Amino acid sequence: QSALTQPASVSGSPGQSITISCIGTSSDVGGYNYVSWYQQHPGKAPKLMIYEVSNRPSGVSNRFSGSKSGNTASLTISGLQAEDEADYYCSSYTASSKVFGGGTKLTVL
Amino acid sequence: QVQLVESGGGVVQPGRSLRLSCAASGFTFNNYGIHWVRQAPGKGLEWVAFIWYDGSNKYYADSVKGRFTISRDNSKNTLFLQMNSLRAEDTALYYCARDRAPVLTATLDYWGQGMLVTVSS
Repeated sequence: QSALTQPASVSGSPGQSITISCIGTSSDVGGYNYVSWYQQHPGKAPKLMIYEVSNRPSGVSNRFSGSKSGNTASLTISGLQAEDEADYYCSSYTASSKVFGGGTKLTVL
Repeated sequence: QVQLVESGGGVVQPGRSLRLSCAASGFTFNNYGIHWVRQAPGKGLEWVAFIWYDGSNKYYADSVKGRFTISRDNSKNTLFLQMNSLRAEDTALYYCARDRAPVLTATLDYWGQGMLVTVSS
């Protein structure tokens, strides 16, 4: 149950696009299409942003998109806005358990 | 609307036990699997445990296996986490979160606000 690997931090200016990577193995990210992404603002509970690699829950902006290639999943946020500044966590199903990435702090400059 | 409300946290000495509860409302509780996820102060998310919609299957993280027990009472729309032999490293904010499915898909679509557990002498 090793954690997935995410960059500790990313940043971008309003209106720009950023991508957060999430590196796993063939036992988790690469082996299943159950990759999800969560947004967490300080002092708040996480919020589901992307599920099953690329699906958006109702109410989530279409500026958020997800993809996967091999053992690496990615979250892209286009048209960055100030309210996007938060921590982002990837997650994957793996052999009757779940594993999270270490989290990425997104700073909107 | 879907609500998950944790309770039962607090300060406990190492080696002692504590039981968390999660009261669910706004959805058909016995149609969904439920997770416990924790977050140590200033750290990332860590998955703890999951229970199927009917309680027939349970899964645990290696870090809590043999010490924690997840259970549910579908007649009371409530999830539990019995935590025994607590250690300092179990100190965290504990969230209950609903899976999108009755069984484990590992997509957590609704989360509670969390309950703080502090293990300290």
